[in-house]
Amino acid sequence: DTEVTQTPKHLVMGMTNKKSLKCEQHMGHRAMYWYKQKAKKPPELMFVYSYEKLSINESVPSRFSPECPNSSLLNLHLHALQPEDSALYLCASSLRQEMNTEAFFGQGTRLTVV
Amino acid sequence: GENVEQHPSTLSVQEGDSAVIKCTYSDSASNYFPWYKQELGKRPQLIIDIRSNVGEKKDQRIAVTLNKTAKHFSLHITETQPEDSAVYFCAATVNDYKLSFGAGTTVTVRA
Repeated sequence: DTEVTQTPKHLVMGMTNKKSLKCEQHMGHRAMYWYKQKAKKPPELMFVYSYEKLSINESVPSRFSPECPNSSLLNLHLHALQPEDSALYLCASSLRQEMNTEAFFGQGTRLTVV
Repeated sequence: GENVEQHPSTLSVQEGDSAVIKCTYSDSASNYFPWYKQELGKRPQLIIDIRSNVGEKKDQRIAVTLNKTAKHFSLHITETQPEDSAVYFCAATVNDYKLSFGAGTTVTVRA
């Protein structure tokens, strides 16, 4: 199984809503990542988890709250988002953060904030 | 932090011709350079990568070259096919896998 699975595929939420994005992998990877991608732009790193601990936070606003409940799951909790937060949110995983091996990306959640 | 520049931003080639995309990086400590292909509406997928102890790597029609002295690396696609049409991103990182991506190159292969 070389898949990173993200749910939901699409999400529309109001600025006062609370929602969560989910990511799952069963490849035994111990590094998991959240990226944000705007149209026609490269992915921008948001968070890195290594061995279920937050390793990197790229100065992301607190309205985005990551969580890694176990080595297979990664969540991104969303609260009080702004329309400019509309984007494709990509989850990725790799074997170990420090080993620089291939990162496998999920298909993404396309988020629209209204 | 690392800064990666990628050129050209768009590239149109005739089917069967070669395509070359070039990237430069700023941090001489960068040691891992992956290339990702992203088709419209799909996830980025690794197509080839190279580490700093290697100058060139090839996988069928795709090759990557690395010049550490000049701090640039390039992707070469030979015998292009319509299915090669996509956005290609180069990236660079030091040991912490904090990938810095280039801005992307939209490749169109004309039949």
